Amino acid sequence: QKEVEQNSGPLSVPEGAIASLNCTYSDRGSQSFFWYRQYSGKSPELIMFIYSNGDKEDGRFTAQLNKASQYVSLLIRDSQPSDSATYLCAVYTGGGNKLTFGTGTQLKVEL
Amino acid sequence: DAGVTQSPTHLIKTRGQQVTLRCSPKSGHDTVSWYQQALGQGPQFIFQYYEEEERQRGNFPDRFSGHQFPNYSSELNVNALLLGDSALYLCASSLGTGNQPQHFGDGTRLSIL
Repeated sequence: QKEVEQNSGPLSVPEGAIASLNCTYSDRGSQSFFWYRQYSGKSPELIMFIYSNGDKEDGRFTAQLNKASQYVSLLIRDSQPSDSATYLCAVYTGGGNKLTFGTGTQLKVEL
Repeated sequence: DAGVTQSPTHLIKTRGQQVTLRCSPKSGHDTVSWYQQALGQGPQFIFQYYEEEERQRGNFPDRFSGHQFPNYSSELNVNALLLGDSALYLCASSLGTGNQPQHFGDGTRLSIL
C-alpha cells in the first residue's frame, strides 16, 4: 500500500462546476496535510494546509480532513480554466520531517 | 519578500560525473528539504537539513549528499551520475522542523546523457 494515494485522473469538469479531488494516506500518526498545485513544467505551489478534522475554507478552495477514515479532499468551487493543473496531496509521515507526496491528480477545466 | 531560489535552472551532465545544486530558503525560513521529481510522479523526499545537520533522509543512496550553511542556504551533491538521476530537483524551505508548510523553489532540471 502506498503511503499517499491519489487518483491520477485526468478529472474533467466544466467551467463553473465544483472539482473534487481525493487523497488517502496510510500513516495513522500523520498530523499535517497539504495540497499543492503544479502547472506543467513548473514547481509545486502550496494552496492549502489542514491540521484538524473538518473543513477549512480559503476563497474558492475547501480542504476536508477525516483522520478516522485517513482521507483528505480538496474542493474547488466555480472552477476556471486557469485551475487546470496537477494537484498534489502531501502528508508528513513517519512521525518526523518527511513530507510524502501522492502522484497527483490532473484536473482539466473545460470551457 | 524573497522566495526560495535555486540554481542553476537547467544542467546537462554525462554519466559518472558529479553535480552540485544550490538553494537559498525563503526569507525567515531556517529549514531546507530536497526532493527529486521524475516525470509524471510526485516529488520524492531526499533529505532535510536544519541547524546545519541532516535531520531525516529518504530512500536515496549515499551518492546523494548535502550541506547546509550558517545562512541556512543548502547544497545538494550527487556523485557518479546515472541516467536514472535525470529529473527535476526541488528545494523547499520551512520554518523549523515537523509539520510546517514547505514552500518550493522553481527547481533545477537535470539531464544526464
